[in-house]
Amino acid sequence: KQEVTQIPAALSVPEGENLVLNCSFTDSAIYNLQWFRQDPGKGLTSLLLIQSSQREQTSGRLNASLDKSSGRSTLYIAASQPGDSATYLCAVGFTQGGSEKLVFGKGTKLTVNP
Amino acid sequence: EAQVTQNPRYLITVTGKKLTVTCSQNMNHEYMSWYRQDPGLGLRQIYYSMNVEVTDKGDVPEGYKVSRKEKRNFPLILESPSPNQTSLYFCASSWGLAGVGEQFFGPGTRLTVL
Repeated sequence: KQEVTQIPAALSVPEGENLVLNCSFTDSAIYNLQWFRQDPGKGLTSLLLIQSSQREQTSGRLNASLDKSSGRSTLYIAASQPGDSATYLCAVGFTQGGSEKLVFGKGTKLTVNP
Repeated sequence: EAQVTQNPRYLITVTGKKLTVTCSQNMNHEYMSWYRQDPGLGLRQIYYSMNVEVTDKGDVPEGYKVSRKEKRNFPLILESPSPNQTSLYFCASSWGLAGVGEQFFGPGTRLTVL
């Protein structure tokens, strides 16, 4: 059974710091991995989608990497800002018994202090 | 504007009173799904649909029903709600199947069952 783990569960950093969020998954047979941002009480906003054939994706100050063989992904945030404070979720897409599945980690709650 | 809409956004109801949460997308996506989000448990898939008239159970389908009569709509039905279905619900859609498509989420429906 595919399991997705995100460590740490919470992270607090001062403004301007570069930081890395981690995501690990147990079964490397995935189609893709997606990083989301969720603000309190709100929906999920897609940040980056990495297909299984890719190693990384970049969008502005965000860079996500994928190492399928080791079952790991990282989300790198450069020059963090208070507006980056949110919960960050990763999710892996895969097939199971002919069905398409998406399994989420429980997220890392990031606080960027001014 | 490309989006996934859900209604209602907030709902308080009583045990046993049937309710429907609507979900609609305007992106011509084939894949649609419902999730519930609970503290400490993360996002869990309830049901998904790979196309019109094709639906399947996710990880926590008990107590829920869905239908997919049109490509754009995917309502979630609670025939006899119970307090353990109090949760934050999200609808999502994507091109093709979940395994290859970027997921777009609705804003969420906060349901309280008394």
